[in-house]
Amino acid sequence: DTAVSQTPKYLVTQMGNDKSIKCEQNLGHDTMYWYKQDSKKFLKIMFSYNNKELIINETVPNRFSPKSPDKAHLNLHINSLELGDSAVYFCASSQPRDFQETQYFGPGTRLLVL
Amino acid sequence: GNSVTQMEGPVTLSEEAFLTINCTYTATGYPSLFWYVQYPGEGLQLLLKATKADDKGSNKGFEATYRKETTSFHLEKGSVQVSDSAVYFCALSGSGASYDKVIFGPGTSLSVIP
Repeated sequence: DTAVSQTPKYLVTQMGNDKSIKCEQNLGHDTMYWYKQDSKKFLKIMFSYNNKELIINETVPNRFSPKSPDKAHLNLHINSLELGDSAVYFCASSQPRDFQETQYFGPGTRLLVL
Repeated sequence: GNSVTQMEGPVTLSEEAFLTINCTYTATGYPSLFWYVQYPGEGLQLLLKATKADDKGSNKGFEATYRKETTSFHLEKGSVQVSDSAVYFCALSGSGASYDKVIFGPGTSLSVIP
C-alpha cells in the first residue's frame, strides 16, 4: 500500500565502508529523485532519473552512484563513506505533467557514519 | 537562477494562535508553488499548492495565495493545534524545462505548545 518505500530505515556504519539504499515506488511515476537532508533540515537534491535515464546530477561526490534498474526503482550506492555523509536520505517520485510536479516522498533513510 | 526564501524559525506558538510563515521566490517564467510539511521522523508530504497567479491553495485549515506581484506564497492558519508541530517547506517548480528540479526553501520549524 505504501507509495514510496525505502530500505533500510536506519543505517549505522563505519567510515570507509560501502553501503546501498533502495527505493521503490508503486505510483507508476516516470521520475524519481534522491535528496539529502542535513541536520538543519536543509533539503538538497542529488539525482533525478526519468524512465531510467539520469536527468539531474547535482554536484555530488562520485562516491555516490545512483542506479535505476527500472522506472519503479532507484537505488543509491555510496562508496568509502565519510563522516559528512551522515544525514537523512529521501527518495521521491513524481509524474511531470504540465510542469505541476507534486513530489511523493519516502520515509527516509537515516545514515550515521561513525 | 530560481530560489525560495522563507523565515527559518524556529517558530513557537500557543495552541489556537494564528500562524503565518512567509515565503518569497525568485523565478523566471510561471512556476507552480507548493507547501510541503514534514512531521517528526517522516518524509515530506504535500500540504497545498497553487499553479497560477491569484490561485489559493488550501488544506487542513492552511491557506496560501500565489501573489505574482509580490512574488510571495505565505502560509497561514487561523488556529494552530499541537498536531501541526512540524517543519514546513515552501517550494517551486515548473518555471522552465520539462525536467526542472523542484527548489525547496530552507524549511521553517513550528512548535505548538498546549
